[in-house]
Amino acid sequence: SQTIHQWPATLVQPVGSPLSLECTVEGTSNPNLYWYRQAAGRGLQLLFYSVGIGQISSEVPQNLSASRPQDRQFILSSKKLLLSDSGFYLCAWSVLSSGRSLKQFFGPGTRLTVL
Amino acid sequence: AQKVTQAQTEISVVEKEDVTLDCVYETRDTTYYLFWYKQPPSGELVFLIRRNSFDEQNEISGRYSWNFQKSTSSFNFTITASQVVDSAVYFCALGGGSYIPTFGRGTSLIVHP
Repeated sequence: SQTIHQWPATLVQPVGSPLSLECTVEGTSNPNLYWYRQAAGRGLQLLFYSVGIGQISSEVPQNLSASRPQDRQFILSSKKLLLSDSGFYLCAWSVLSSGRSLKQFFGPGTRLTVL
Repeated sequence: AQKVTQAQTEISVVEKEDVTLDCVYETRDTTYYLFWYKQPPSGELVFLIRRNSFDEQNEISGRYSWNFQKSTSSFNFTITASQVVDSAVYFCALGGGSYIPTFGRGTSLIVHP
């Protein structure tokens, strides 16, 4: 069966420090991968998505970046965190087959607090 | 452009009451998919249902039921005899054959004992 892991579960970082959040998927090949942020207002904001290794699409310009060094690994990074980067970060995967939009599976999330 | 509207920001009910969460969508795609996800206090989103645009049959799963009406572009979710464990944020989402689903802003359901 497929599983998705995220770490760390919680993180407290000072403003200006770097960030690296990792997401890995098991049990599937060539998934579409997504990074979402959920701020205090509760809505889900899509940050990045990837349809393959090295292919990253950014939805919102910001000081964050994403990389996909392996098929089932998706990394969210920042060189210098801002206070506004605080939030709940969710990784998700889906499989797109024959043009059909299939359901997404979400990871447990990382709660980031920038002080 | 796709859009999902969940007009109810927060709903508060007492246990055993029935509650309906509204979802209205906009899309130009002829083939699309609608989803509901539940986000309990732990944070992880849990998939509840997917419905494709060609299937307007209502679906029931235990205390959960979904009413899909293409004529009004709505995909409402009803919880019958609500329980405290149903307290969560519920998201409606729309997918149209692309890689990116569109999520509503979510409805926070609070069920009081």
